[in-house]
Amino acid sequence: GAGVSQSPRYKVTKRGQDVALRCDPISGHVSLYWYRQALGQGPEFLTYFNYEAQQDKSGLPNDRFSAERPEGSISTLTIQRTEQRDSAMYRCASSAGGRDRMYNEQFFGPGTRLTVL
Amino acid sequence: AQSVTQLDSHVSVSEGTPVLLRCNYSSSYSPSLFWYVQHPNKGLQLLLKYTSAATLVKGINGFEAEFKKSETSFHLTKPSAHMSDAAEYFCVVSDISGTYKYIFGTGTRLKVLA
Repeated sequence: GAGVSQSPRYKVTKRGQDVALRCDPISGHVSLYWYRQALGQGPEFLTYFNYEAQQDKSGLPNDRFSAERPEGSISTLTIQRTEQRDSAMYRCASSAGGRDRMYNEQFFGPGTRLTVL
Repeated sequence: AQSVTQLDSHVSVSEGTPVLLRCNYSSSYSPSLFWYVQHPNKGLQLLLKYTSAATLVKGINGFEAEFKKSETSFHLTKPSAHMSDAAEYFCVVSDISGTYKYIFGTGTRLKVLA
């Protein structure tokens, strides 16, 4: 596709349920990031993949959160036993990687708005 | 560690008047800085980025930003505001620790008055 896509766009779930959020990055982009954005705040880093390797998961809030990118393309962020405080916009971004990664633009998907009741 | 501070959470300007959105950064190294815009119910879009090639950076839709090392600032400006500029603006620094993850400011909501 032309850009980063995420699904579902909206997810309403009950407390205690597991949810899986999907990100489909721009084709050929080796770097993939997950961020979480609370209402009225800037996005905060969750985790980073370089190809299929999860190289940084320092932003994951606790062990209920996990992510994978098994074939170096599509990624899934899973939240187990959801809690109301998990409600937020979850954004995925991809970038090309390579030598000048420091200056690489990250392209963001539209986000998944998660509401936990 | 790197960080950015956006000094104003809300800015209101009249249509046709200049826009100034302020951002200060903290970095031990020469930073990579970005401005993104987020329109309601839409994704984040890159306005411009600083890559050390030039201190005055021009972006899309008439926006520009000037990197001032002495002031550790990267303020976003536009000579004449348009109604369509109403949105939330984020100043971002790229973390050089290896992942180049983004560190976002808290955002500035721009309101344009007719």
